[in-house]
Amino acid sequence: EDQVTQSPEALRLQEGESSSLNCSYTVSGLRGLFWYRQDPGKGPEFLFTLYSAGEEKEKERLKATLTKKESFLHITAPKPEDSATYLCAVPGLPPSGGSYIPTFGRGTSLIVHP
Amino acid sequence: GAVVSQHPSRVICKSGTSVKIECRSLDFQATTMFWYRQFPKQSLMLMATSNEGSKATYEQGVEKDKFLINHASLTLSTLTVTSAHPEDSSFYICSGQRGDNEQFFGPGTRLTVL
Repeated sequence: EDQVTQSPEALRLQEGESSSLNCSYTVSGLRGLFWYRQDPGKGPEFLFTLYSAGEEKEKERLKATLTKKESFLHITAPKPEDSATYLCAVPGLPPSGGSYIPTFGRGTSLIVHP
Repeated sequence: GAVVSQHPSRVICKSGTSVKIECRSLDFQATTMFWYRQFPKQSLMLMATSNEGSKATYEQGVEKDKFLINHASLTLSTLTVTSAHPEDSSFYICSGQRGDNEQFFGPGTRLTVL
């Protein structure tokens, strides 16, 4: 069974204080790992897709990396507007076959204080 | 980018009425769409997988007669909450799948049943 575990559940940072969010996964045959940002009362916003170990992607203050067992979302010099819940997900095939279904982690709630 | 819209963004209805929520992929074709429910401060809960032209596949514990899903075209899926009750009040989010694994989410619909 595919599993995705995110840590920490919550993270409070001061503005400018860099840190990393973790996403550990267990999946039979990785077909991508996805990072999303979700603001309260809104749908998740796509950030990155990573497909193979060693791959890295960047967007502004965010950088996502991938190994064979986990992914990190590094936040460099965060600003208050980076406050959000960050979700990671991996697509997996259900036992009965059919469409790939995403398995989501529970998310990391990030608060950046000014 | 890949954009998914949802309509309405908010709906308030009386107990016993039915509510329809539309999910559209605006700039890509989504052979598969997903419907999620999200309670406050909790992660996404997959309700069903919707494939264009076929019956939706519901997750365990989701009543298919209560949550009717129709995927009429490659760009439109609808979720109808029938005979809504206060316990159905929640945040409903859809996503469209591009290719075989990329998910792009709508902005969500806040349903309040009085």
